Amino acid sequence: DVVMTQSPLSLPVTLGQPASISCRSSQSLVHSDGNTYLNWFQQRPGQSPRRLIYKVSNRDSGVPDRFNGSGSGTDFTLKISRVEAEDVGVYYCMQGTHWLGTFGQGTKVEIK
Amino acid sequence: QVQLQESGPGLVKPSQTLSLTCTVSGASISSGNYYWSWIRQPAGKGLEWIGRIYTSGNTNYNPSLKSRVIVSMDTSKNQFSLKLSSVTAADTAVYYCARGGYSKSGFDYWGQGTLVTVSS
Repeated sequence: DVVMTQSPLSLPVTLGQPASISCRSSQSLVHSDGNTYLNWFQQRPGQSPRRLIYKVSNRDSGVPDRFNGSGSGTDFTLKISRVEAEDVGVYYCMQGTHWLGTFGQGTKVEIK
Repeated sequence: QVQLQESGPGLVKPSQTLSLTCTVSGASISSGNYYWSWIRQPAGKGLEWIGRIYTSGNTNYNPSLKSRVIVSMDTSKNQFSLKLSSVTAADTAVYYCARGGYSKSGFDYWGQGTLVTVSS
């Protein structure tokens, strides 16, 4: 199985400041069809997960443009340009290139 | 807008079978070439994919749960279901249904989740 490793696991941030979460995979996530299936999910406290980003850098409908995904191969990053109170929660990366898909452990974002 | 809603007993006794249903609105589970999945999350822990069913009815399961899981669909009611047998306390979790198959772009719509507790 492909192992997804997120860091940090806990991320205290100041409102209005940027935040960055790293996600590394144990194998390249480039699919045979040429796409890289690395996705990001946000789970606010008490809520269901919500997909933010798919295929590395594509924002889902309604996702604020302060969320940006980047990366390639085995190294990926989710950046929040200016953290807002509503961004508190746990963020998961997930690879869908290799069967069986894999979630990262999650990164908890909290306000300092 | 696609919406999913889980339903089923919130309490199941050890060794019995957990049964949940996901009712889908805003999309047909029998068309559109989508997978429909079950995912669970124990309190304070991460996400674990359980299994999926395709538009055609084909299923795939997490190898760690495969011997105990059945996912099925009822197209007349636009629902898909989960059965997890021989449950133990370790199966206590919030169970989510979602559109997507734990592959490629993951899950784009999720239900609100339902807590299932395994206890006598």
